[in-house]
Amino acid sequence: GQQVMQIPQYQHVQEGEDFTTYCNSSTTLSNIQWYKQRPGGHPVFLIQLVKSGEVKKQKRLTFQFGEAKKNSSLHITATQTTDVGTYFCAGRSTGANNLFFGTGTRLTVIP
Amino acid sequence: KAGVTQTPRYLIKTRGQQVTLSCSPISGHRSVSWYQQTPGQGLQFLFEYFSETQRNKGNFPGRFSGRQFSNSRSEMNVSTLELGDSALYLCASREQPTDTGELFFGEGSRLTVL
Repeated sequence: GQQVMQIPQYQHVQEGEDFTTYCNSSTTLSNIQWYKQRPGGHPVFLIQLVKSGEVKKQKRLTFQFGEAKKNSSLHITATQTTDVGTYFCAGRSTGANNLFFGTGTRLTVIP
Repeated sequence: KAGVTQTPRYLIKTRGQQVTLSCSPISGHRSVSWYQQTPGQGLQFLFEYFSETQRNKGNFPGRFSGRQFSNSRSEMNVSTLELGDSALYLCASREQPTDTGELFFGEGSRLTVL
């Protein structure tokens, strides 16, 4: 079955440092979504990528979708304490209906 | 618009009991999905309902069931609770179960099984 893995599982950074989380799927994805879950909160949609090789930016966040549509990354430049939380990727295999979530990367930002 | 509403927010049950969780989607959203979130397993898909019909089901035992009503509200039920069922149960809604719909999550129902 479809599996979506994320690395690293945890990441501690000093405020101002960059952060990257990687998402890898065992199957080709029709699209990929990214969500952020603050501690004690619920996942909140950040962005969706659909095209092969697509790159999207949201202020300090840069999202990429791999050429083969099997991997994706989220990069945060100059982290801030407000970036704390768990970042999940979620993808759907081509032709499938279910949205499978990655295992998540928990980001801690040290002031 | 009001967001996705889940009740109850917290509950404690003992092994062998059963539990029913409720989810009211955003007005106009007809697709409701349920996820189980645990520290070790992340977000695991349970099932999705649309127009009162189950569209998809994850790899969970038959003790986990759900339904959707004509007003799109959904319930999930877990029978014969086990310790491992302790988790945050998240409901998510979207307008249609299409390929590109973002999910809007509720705050979740945190279940503790003793």
